[in-house]
Formats: sequence, structure tokens, C-alpha cells
Amino acid sequence: DIQLTQSPSFLSASVGDRVTITCRASQGISSYLAWYQQKPGKAPKLLIYAASTLQSGVPSRFSGSGSGTEFTLTISSLQPEDFATYYCQQLNSYGFTFGPGTKVDIK
Amino acid sequence: QVQLQESGPGLVKPSQTLSLTCTVSGGSISSGSYYWSWIRQPAGKGLEWIGRIYTSGSTNYNPSLKSRVTISVDTSKNQFSLKLSSVTAADTAVYYCARVSWYYFDYWGQGTLVTVSS
Repeated sequence: DIQLTQSPSFLSASVGDRVTITCRASQGISSYLAWYQQKPGKAPKLLIYAASTLQSGVPSRFSGSGSGTEFTLTISSLQPEDFATYYCQQLNSYGFTFGPGTKVDIK
Repeated sequence: QVQLQESGPGLVKPSQTLSLTCTVSGGSISSGSYYWSWIRQPAGKGLEWIGRIYTSGSTNYNPSLKSRVTISVDTSKNQFSLKLSSVTAADTAVYYCARVSWYYFDYWGQGTLVTVSS
């Protein structure tokens, strides 16, 4: 089974900061990785799929990169509405797995 | 615009079966090559995939839950359903239904809280 880890698990940042979140897979997964944003009390929202393809309607300040075992989600200039928890996710032969999440909080 | 809505009891007794339904609107559940999935999230914790179904009835389940899970589809009602048997307090969570596009979840329901308690 392929496991996903995320770092950091918690991040404190200010509006306007550049933020990078890393997701690592225990085995290579090519580019089959997605990123989600979840705000309290809400369902997760798809941000990026295929490691770097922005979902329709998602602001361009979000970007994704990576392949194989290491992936990153970058927010180029953090906005007030971006404070949330971010999850990576992949599909393997056993099913779908999510990373443990990275909470982005206000400094 | 596809929309999903979960429905079902918010309280289930231990050892009983949890039953939820997801109603899809804004498009036919049978159109396109999509799977339909259930995901859950205990309070303050991460996301756990439960299983998925294709409109043909083909299913895949999380190995950790497989012995207790059944997912079914009713294309005439544009719905798919989840049954989780022999529930315990550990099954208390917000349950989401979602559409699977390729290998990611592109549309989600708002989620429904199910509490397991006597």
C-alpha cells in the first residue's frame, strides 16, 4: 500500500506570504496526485489534479508540481480566504488515500 | 453543474447498520465514465476513503472496511447508497459522497454527520 505524508503538518503565515506544502509518496505514483482545500465545516474542494493541472475556477496563485514521490503545492501570495487545511490524495491498487493534511493558519 | 446531497439518519446505535443515500442532480449518474464514492472524516481528523461504485454496479472498497461496507446504485433515482454494518463509536464521522473523475474527486456533497451512540 502507498502511504502519503505531508510537511509541515501546521504552518503559520501572513497575508501575502509565499507558502509551499510538500507531499511525499512511499512509492512512485507518476503524476497521479491531487490537492484539496478544506475549510472548517465544509467539504474539501479540488484545487489541482495530475500534480500540476489547476481545476477550473481555482485562482492562479495556486500551483502544483512534482512527479514520482515528491510533490509540492504552492500559494504564491497567501490571501485571507486561503487559511484552511490542505490535503494531497492519490489512487493506487488498494484504493484512494489522502495525506494527513497541512493546516495553514494566520500568523 | 453537478450537485450531490447526502441524506440519512444522523444517529445510529452501536452494532446497527449505518445507511446513507447520495442524490445526484444537474446530470445523469449514468452519463460519462464516472465512479461515485463515499468518504468520511471523524471530527478533527483526516479523510478516509470508504469505497466507490460504477453505474454498472462494479465496486471497490477500502480493505480496512471491506467486510462491513456495501455500496449500491439506483440509476432510476440518480442515487447511490452506503451501508456500513456493525458500527461502533469509531464510525462516528462526517460522511461525504463525491464524484470520481479519473482518479480524483471533483464534486462533493456538503457532508452529513453520523453519530454512533446508544
